[in-house]
Amino acid sequence: AQSVTQLDSQVPVFEEAPVELRCNYSSSVSVYLFWYVQYPNQGLQLLLKYLSGSTLVESINGFEAEFNKSQTSFHLRKPSVHISDTAEYFCAVRLTTDSWGKLQFGAGTQVVVTP
Amino acid sequence: GAGVSQSPRYKVAKRGQDVALRCDPISGHVSLFWYQQALGQGPEFLTYFQNEAQLDKSGLPSDRFFAERPEGSVSTLKIQRTQQEDSAVYLCASSSDTMNTEAFFGQGTRLTVV
Repeated sequence: AQSVTQLDSQVPVFEEAPVELRCNYSSSVSVYLFWYVQYPNQGLQLLLKYLSGSTLVESINGFEAEFNKSQTSFHLRKPSVHISDTAEYFCAVRLTTDSWGKLQFGAGTQVVVTP
Repeated sequence: GAGVSQSPRYKVAKRGQDVALRCDPISGHVSLFWYQQALGQGPEFLTYFQNEAQLDKSGLPSDRFFAERPEGSVSTLKIQRTQQEDSAVYLCASSSDTMNTEAFFGQGTRLTVV
């Protein structure tokens, strides 16, 4: 069975500072990897995903994540955060062999950006 | 519709009461998932529909949980004889194809059993 570990439950960060959210997974088969973001009182939104190809993936709002197969990690980074990045971030994996793509999520990391 | 819609947004049920949670997926989406998110945890898979067929219900925690999608669009998650441990946010997600590489989530229904 696969598992997802988000190492930090909460990350406080100042506006315009960099942030890194750590995600490690374990799986006996290859996986697809996702980061979802949940803003207050909203549903989960897909931030970025790794399916194949370049191991560095980027989102339209400045986040990036790098798939590291040897370290089984998919850490999320942003070089300069905004107040509006305050949200909960979930890392998720899906087995490439899964017929219908159910996701397994980590416990989430709450990012709090302060001025 | 513009997105996945779930109703009600909040539900308080007395222990032992039956509840029904509704999900309206994005129009035309083939795939529909239900997830349960306990407080402080990530979502956990409950069940999956492809059109009207329930192909995976391995995540349903007990036989008190039942889901249906009779016409391949709207889905209902029913919980019978609710218990306190059922308190959670129930999330619905839909996807446009069976590869499901991008799922769109609703805002969820927060169920509190008292």
